[in-house]
Amino acid sequence: DAKTTQPPSMDCAEGRAANLPCNHSTISGNEYVYWYRQIHSQGPQYIIHGLKNNETNEMASLIITEDRKSSTLILPHATLRDTAVYYCIVSPMEYGNKLVFGAGTILRVKS
Amino acid sequence: SQTIHQWPATLVQPVGSPLSLECTVEGTSNPNLYWYRQAAGRGLQLLFYSIGIDQISSEVPQNLSASRPQDRQFILSSKKLLLSDSGFYLCASTGTSGNTIYFGEGSWLTVV
Repeated sequence: DAKTTQPPSMDCAEGRAANLPCNHSTISGNEYVYWYRQIHSQGPQYIIHGLKNNETNEMASLIITEDRKSSTLILPHATLRDTAVYYCIVSPMEYGNKLVFGAGTILRVKS
Repeated sequence: SQTIHQWPATLVQPVGSPLSLECTVEGTSNPNLYWYRQAAGRGLQLLFYSIGIDQISSEVPQNLSASRPQDRQFILSSKKLLLSDSGFYLCASTGTSGNTIYFGEGSWLTVV
């Protein structure tokens, strides 16, 4: 079973920041938070991951609360191409961890 | 950078026929390899997991099997397909960092 809870869907205006929340209240100390997204009919695309510090890359920012029980993925300037299902996953840090996907959040970016 | 090749991209097979989906990985060595399935409108389900050649773990009971004859080759097979085997099959591999998993583009299987 997935260890995360995400809203089933969200809308965002094009050009605005998209903030996708994720609750993972039972996260263990050795578990990372991973974010993937899946555009229709394609394989999931890795976005970002983090342990306890906030992370940023060319795609997004990841904000993890101090108690690590929740996190937020931020797409700073959403475009229509960001419309996808976004998955928040927690998984141990050891090499070759298995990702268990939940239902994710359907993000619809609208013009 | 790592590349995952998966084929065929689409497949239509009759019930009871065999199946072979192949996945190869470039740009990394000794990866962990995975097969996932996504039924229409559903989430991703982990089917098989491999940490090395001939080392396969099955996550769910089914009429599918997996083999890893080479370090960067992973094959999903079935002797007799069922209608319920229809879906989107994804091969995945750990990258050079080890703790991030990357996915191929997937194979659409329709059993008729």
